[in-house]
Amino acid sequence: SQQGEEDPQALSIQEGENATMNCSYKTSINNLQWYRQNSGRGLVHLILIRSNEREKHSGRLRVTLDTSKKSSSLLITASRAADTASYFCATEGVIYNQGGKLIFGQGTELSVKP
Amino acid sequence: DAGVIQSPRHEVTEMGQEVTLRCKPISGHNSLFWYRQTMMRGLELLIYFNNNVPIDDSGMPEDRFSAKMPNASFSTLKIQPSEPRDSAVYFCASSSSNSPLHFGNGTRLTVT
Repeated sequence: SQQGEEDPQALSIQEGENATMNCSYKTSINNLQWYRQNSGRGLVHLILIRSNEREKHSGRLRVTLDTSKKSSSLLITASRAADTASYFCATEGVIYNQGGKLIFGQGTELSVKP
Repeated sequence: DAGVIQSPRHEVTEMGQEVTLRCKPISGHNSLFWYRQTMMRGLELLIYFNNNVPIDDSGMPEDRFSAKMPNASFSTLKIQPSEPRDSAVYFCASSSSNSPLHFGNGTRLTVT
């Protein structure tokens, strides 16, 4: 079964606005990652946050992690039309010898209108 | 670095035929993953390898699916016989220790 559940399923905003996507998961994790997928392409890694971290930044991206609530959020500030894509969270569990195994959520489809 | 290379990009076949999808991971990566993506089920992990050894194949739908990694630079995912419900985009991804996954651009499989 899918580990991550994301909301909203779809988000439409104007260029310049901020976009926030949320992800919830069910079991203990080593880390949580966010990926982006453009139409017809493979997923591209954006950012990784470890279970002992609460917040991380990378350029216009800000990720938070609340392990007590088993949830994470991805914030994209000052969005651009080029940010239009699907965004997925993925979790790596703590099971021994499962290193690198990622379970993906269903994704949020972001549309940024110019 | 050419990234993860998958072939073919598109495959259209008739029900009952054998389908073989191919993947060349990034050189130096020791983990390889096969995922399947559909609208209904999202991105599902089928199988993954560490150092060419299958670690977890619990996501393989049924015996019609098999995967091999004969060496560090090549993997195949085979479906025999194929069925219409196997239609999906199949992704291969690779990684090394403490690195994120690098995905190929996928193979879009259509079984008629």
